[in-house]
Amino acid sequence: NAGVTQTPKFRILKIGQSMTLQCTQDMNHNYMYWYRQDPGMGLKLIYYSVGAGITDKGEVPNGYNVSRSTTEDFPLRLELAAPSQTSVYFCASSRTGSNQPQHFGDGTRLSIL
Amino acid sequence: GENVEQHPSTLSVQEGDSAVIKCTYSDSASNYFPWYKQELGKGPQLIIDIRSNVGEKKDQRIAVTLNKTAKHFSLHITETQPEDSAVYFCAASREMGLNKFYFGSGTKLNVKP
Repeated sequence: NAGVTQTPKFRILKIGQSMTLQCTQDMNHNYMYWYRQDPGMGLKLIYYSVGAGITDKGEVPNGYNVSRSTTEDFPLRLELAAPSQTSVYFCASSRTGSNQPQHFGDGTRLSIL
Repeated sequence: GENVEQHPSTLSVQEGDSAVIKCTYSDSASNYFPWYKQELGKGPQLIIDIRSNVGEKKDQRIAVTLNKTAKHFSLHITETQPEDSAVYFCAASREMGLNKFYFGSGTKLNVKP
C-alpha cells in the first residue's frame, strides 16, 4: 500500500528556475493538501483541493500554483524560484469531510541557490 | 484564524521516564486534535487523535488529554523508549467547513538510553 508518494525527494534549483513537485495518492481520497515545513515553524498550508478540478489557497500561497485534473494527482508548481522557497514540502490527503486524519508523503527537500 | 502553540520545543528524557508535550489553541470552535510523529527524513505519521466530546484517550503507552474550557491538550508518553525519539506535532481543526489543520511548531523529543 503506497499511500502518498512524492517525487523528487531532493532538488536544488537556481533562482528564477521553475519546477513541479509531484504528488500522487492511491487511497481514493478526495481531499489533498500541500504544506511547507520550515525549521522550528511547523507546517504551513500552501494550497488544498477538495476534488478534481477544485483548488483553493491556504495560508502561504504566494509563489506557487496547483492543479488537480485527477483524484490521484496534485502537483505543486514553482514558477520563479526564490531563496525564500527553500523548504521541505509535504503533500497530504484525507477522506472527504471534516475531522479526518491527514496522511502525509515523505516530503521533497528543495533548496534554492 | 486558529493559532496553535506547542511547548516545549525540545524535550530530553531518560529511557523509561514519561514525556509530556502541551498545546494550546485559540479557536473555541476547534474540536478535532490529532498528534503526529515525524521521524528524520519522513513525513508526519498520525499516532493518536481526540475529538472534543471526550476528555482523554489512550493507546498503549500513548495518551492524549483535552481541556476544552482552558483550550489546551496534551500528549503523554509513558515508559519512553529510544525509538520514541522524533519530532511531535499537535494540530487542531474545526468540524464546520473544510478539513484544514493548524499545526503547532513541533517538539523534538530525545530519549536517552
